Amino acid sequence: EAQVTQNPRYLITVTGKKLTVTCSQNMNHEYMSWYRQDPGLGLRQIYYSMNVEVTDKGDVPEGYKVSRKEKRNFPLILESPSPNQTSLYFCASSLMGGVGEAFFGQGTRLTVV
Amino acid sequence: AQSVTQLGSHVSVSEGALVLLRCNYSSSVPPYLFWYVQYPNQGLQLLLKYTSAATLVKGINGFEAEFKKSETSFHLTKPSAHMSDAAEYFCAVRGTGGTSYGKLTFGQGTILTVHP
Repeated sequence: EAQVTQNPRYLITVTGKKLTVTCSQNMNHEYMSWYRQDPGLGLRQIYYSMNVEVTDKGDVPEGYKVSRKEKRNFPLILESPSPNQTSLYFCASSLMGGVGEAFFGQGTRLTVV
Repeated sequence: AQSVTQLGSHVSVSEGALVLLRCNYSSSVPPYLFWYVQYPNQGLQLLLKYTSAATLVKGINGFEAEFKKSETSFHLTKPSAHMSDAAEYFCAVRGTGGTSYGKLTFGQGTILTVHP
């Protein structure tokens, strides 16, 4: 089954404690991205990757890091989380060519206290 | 830069009534447009997509959307609402060039409530 898998689904952490949210896709998609969803703001892109070892900032990259060492995986790293990073996070993947509709993971609800 | 505006953060309809969710976009080139639905505690699911093949696009669950270039609109409709349609709906435009290639830009979302 084609899918994007994120883990964990729910995470509560304390300010400053490094964390990683994993994302994996099984569709051989080149393009992967991370979004955060906040009420009234829709989804905003944090980082994206067009292929292995190719990553770049999206609209709201501050406080986040990513890596793309393998085509299927695209982890999101918060090295020093702060309360303003409390949000719902989605990983997505798509083909680079054609229409390229995005497939989304189930989301990770992060609370930073 | 591309952008998407959804008019109305909340829409409430009665079961069996017409559903109309509005979306306007800005894009310097012919766009790829999408509607996604998000049910509570779930990820985003593709409802339908516009790829320039036809201006009236049919999607899943009885939804459809019409692309109107002159109005830069891509409104989502369903003739008869069902209780199971209650969810949040997002309109999105996909970037087609430069650093925005592949990027989805989303509207703010519209929460649809369906009353019995």
